[in-house]
Amino acid sequence: GENVEQHPSTLSVQEGDSAVIKCTYSDSASNYFPWYKQELGKGPQLIIDIRSNVGEKKDQRIAVTLNKTAKHFSLHITETQPEDSAVYFCAASIGSSGSARQLTFGSGTQLTVLP
Amino acid sequence: DTAVSQTPKYLVTQMGNDKSIKCEQNLGHDTMYWYKQDSKKFLKIMFSYNNKELIINETVPNRFSPKSPDKAHLNLHINSLELGDSAVYFCASSQEGKKQYFGPGTRLTVT
Repeated sequence: GENVEQHPSTLSVQEGDSAVIKCTYSDSASNYFPWYKQELGKGPQLIIDIRSNVGEKKDQRIAVTLNKTAKHFSLHITETQPEDSAVYFCAASIGSSGSARQLTFGSGTQLTVLP
Repeated sequence: DTAVSQTPKYLVTQMGNDKSIKCEQNLGHDTMYWYKQDSKKFLKIMFSYNNKELIINETVPNRFSPKSPDKAHLNLHINSLELGDSAVYFCASSQEGKKQYFGPGTRLTVT
């Protein structure tokens, strides 16, 4: 089955700096890669996703890049703010938009933005 | 308005008991999921369910069973609870294979 590795496990940055989290996946058939943010005591919240037919996607301060050849994808957060502090999860899945997708998650990255 | 809701938020019970966790979504989605998050925050899929099929992750013990009274609900029933079942359980929903939205979670503690 699919295996997703995520690093680093913890990341501390100064407010205003950029943060980068990287993930690799094992199954070349994976075609959908979402990123989730989980705040303490809450459920994961989808922040951005990318499909395998796209190399990069951006939404304000957040961007995701995908390298299908190398089987890795990354989350970039620019101009970090204290409220960005949370655990971030990458995920990968196989399948189509027309059927249920079972997400395989990475192990999470605790991001701390220092004021 | 809450999109995906779960009850209860906390559940403390003894080994051997049977318990259920309820999940409801008001997004009009046709697919629902259950995930388990362990003490190290690792998230793992347990089930996905829509009116076409139930997919069970092979590592899930058969003491766990999803029950769906209708499209908006997918409850998780657990028989003969064990200490290792202690975790946070998340329900999620999507329209077919599109974006998944998670509920707030149910923290289950088995003593």
